[in-house]
Amino acid sequence: GQQLNQSPQSMFIQEGEDVSMNCTSSSIFNTWLWYKQDPGEGPVLLIALYKAGELTSNGRLTAQFGITRKDSFLNISASIPSDVGIYFCAGRGNTGNQFYFGTGTSLTVIP
Amino acid sequence: DAGVIQSPRHEVTEMGQEVTLRCKPISGHNSLFWYRQTMMRGLELLIYFNNNVPIDDSGMPEDRFSAKMPNASFSTLKIQPSEPRDSAVYFCASSLRQNNQPQHFGDGTRLSIL
Repeated sequence: GQQLNQSPQSMFIQEGEDVSMNCTSSSIFNTWLWYKQDPGEGPVLLIALYKAGELTSNGRLTAQFGITRKDSFLNISASIPSDVGIYFCAGRGNTGNQFYFGTGTSLTVIP
Repeated sequence: DAGVIQSPRHEVTEMGQEVTLRCKPISGHNSLFWYRQTMMRGLELLIYFNNNVPIDDSGMPEDRFSAKMPNASFSTLKIQPSEPRDSAVYFCASSLRQNNQPQHFGDGTRLSIL
């Protein structure tokens, strides 16, 4: 199946710091999604991106659809303890409605 | 609004037993997806349905796994016979079928096969 490379694999940051993570694919996507998963729960949709170059915010979160359509970025500003969790990217190409998921970025925020 | 509902939340059973996982998608959603999540392999798509019809089951590991969607509001994933390597968290997700609609996940079933 489609491979999505997500980096970094894990992050340990101090509360208040900004966070950046990214996702790259080997082929062009026309939709990028970012999810957050808390322990014992399912992934929850954070941001959806539908257009190359699009920049979308959700509170302290900002995500961008890369111009090449092969990558996407998620930034979290002024991190807080409740930002802890695993962040997944997901992308979809032109055919079918199957999304491919990245391997996740585990975020730990140190108070 | 009710989200995707999965049951049971936890299942512990002995190898060889039949396991049935259940999912109720969000009302009005016409696409349904079954995923398996493990530390080693991350989130893997097992099968998905559009309008109750299986579209792609290439992710189903082997014949021991089967999935059905008898109507728009219910789906099952069955493992028979179960094996210890089937231990994982199984997620169901649903979406609208229209262009690029995002998937909404249930809270998963944590399955342990002893």
